[in-house]
Amino acid sequence: AQTVTQSQPEMSVQEAETVTLSCTYDTSESNYYLFWYKQPPSRQMILVIRQEAYKQQNATENRFSVNFQKAAKSFSLKISDSQLGDTAMYFCALLIGNTPLVFGKGTRLSVIA
Amino acid sequence: EAGVAQSPRYKIIEKRQSVAFWCNPISGHATLYWYQQILGQGPKLLIQFQNNGVVDDSQLPKDRFSAERLKGVDSTLKIQPAKLEDSAVYLCASSLITGYSNQPQHFGDGTRLSIL
Repeated sequence: AQTVTQSQPEMSVQEAETVTLSCTYDTSESNYYLFWYKQPPSRQMILVIRQEAYKQQNATENRFSVNFQKAAKSFSLKISDSQLGDTAMYFCALLIGNTPLVFGKGTRLSVIA
Repeated sequence: EAGVAQSPRYKIIEKRQSVAFWCNPISGHATLYWYQQILGQGPKLLIQFQNNGVVDDSQLPKDRFSAERLKGVDSTLKIQPAKLEDSAVYLCASSLITGYSNQPQHFGDGTRLSIL
């Protein structure tokens, strides 16, 4: 069975600073996709960034980038120049073929002015 | 493009009552998902539809939960009778094609259900 683990229940960062959220996963498959979703208090899950496992290059999306270590099964999210609007729950998720998305338990990020 | 629409936004009921949630996916999205998100946890898939057929309902408590997507567009999720442990946010999501992650899942705002 596939699992996703987020070991940091809560984190905080000063505005304009950089923060890294950790995620590890477990699967025996070689082809899969990884995602980071953001869930603000409005509850809507918003896709932040995605990574295809067959791509060695780390995905980037403006201030968001990932450090994908396939051998270590690690998929961390780095947020640069943190903004107050980044305050939210962040979920790491794993998708393999036709199976459902598997989510971690989330990390609550607070950006402090 | 309009997003995934869900209603109601909030619902409070007593245990043993019934409740229904509605979801209208993004136009053209063949795949529709219902997730249950208990406080402090990540979403858990309840059921997945491809058009009007069920792809995966292995984690749906079928003794009390039911869902349908009769015309392959909007969907309803029903709980009857509700239990205290059903208190959660129920999220609906849709995507163009199952399993193609270059077509990611788009989520609605969810329905927060509280059972008294």
